[in-house]
Amino acid sequence: GAVVSQHPSRVICKSGTSVKIECRSLDFQATTMFWYRQFPKQSLMLMATSNEGSKATYEQGVEKDKFLINHASLTLSTLTVTSAHPEDSSFYICSARGDRNSPLHFGNGTRLTVT
Amino acid sequence: GESVGLHLPTLSVQEGDNSIINCAYSNSASDYFIWYKQESGKGPQFIIDIRSNMDKRQGQRVTVLLNKTVKHLSLQIAATQPGDSAVYFCAEKEIYNQGGKLIFGQGTELSVKP
Repeated sequence: GAVVSQHPSRVICKSGTSVKIECRSLDFQATTMFWYRQFPKQSLMLMATSNEGSKATYEQGVEKDKFLINHASLTLSTLTVTSAHPEDSSFYICSARGDRNSPLHFGNGTRLTVT
Repeated sequence: GESVGLHLPTLSVQEGDNSIINCAYSNSASDYFIWYKQESGKGPQFIIDIRSNMDKRQGQRVTVLLNKTVKHLSLQIAATQPGDSAVYFCAEKEIYNQGGKLIFGQGTELSVKP
């Protein structure tokens, strides 16, 4: 079945540094990938839609300059949290699908801790 | 807009019993619904989906029911097992959203007692 790989699974960084998270579709091409953020005991909140070869579409309230998204190929999207602060600590999850009739498949998430 | 949940509601069931997890949605323009299971520290895992032209769909040990009149979705798990313990989310997609963007409900934490 379709597999989405996310890396790293955990990352700890110091306040003010930037962190890059990768999302790869392993056995299918994904023209669209989605990035979610999840706080403990809460639901997934959509941050942005990543479109291959074009700019990402950000949800209201999500700072595009802080959460940089690059979708340079049909199998890879990256999310860079720039100048991270402790309040950015969260569980970041990506998802992708092959075609419009396929269900979304999710990566296993990245636990970001900013100290 | 996105659904941002508060503390998750919980459902506790005995092993072997049937579980019913409910979800209310508000967007009448949603035409596709999915149930996901999320175990601790992992991403959501697809369980079953249903389109708005159906009111019931069955999978292996799971059934999804859709009531469009009251905008209600439910997930039934038969003979619940300890491995079913997880957080369950419903998600919906709007009919005119061809990009596949999903909006998640608040989730329910299922706890199965042996």
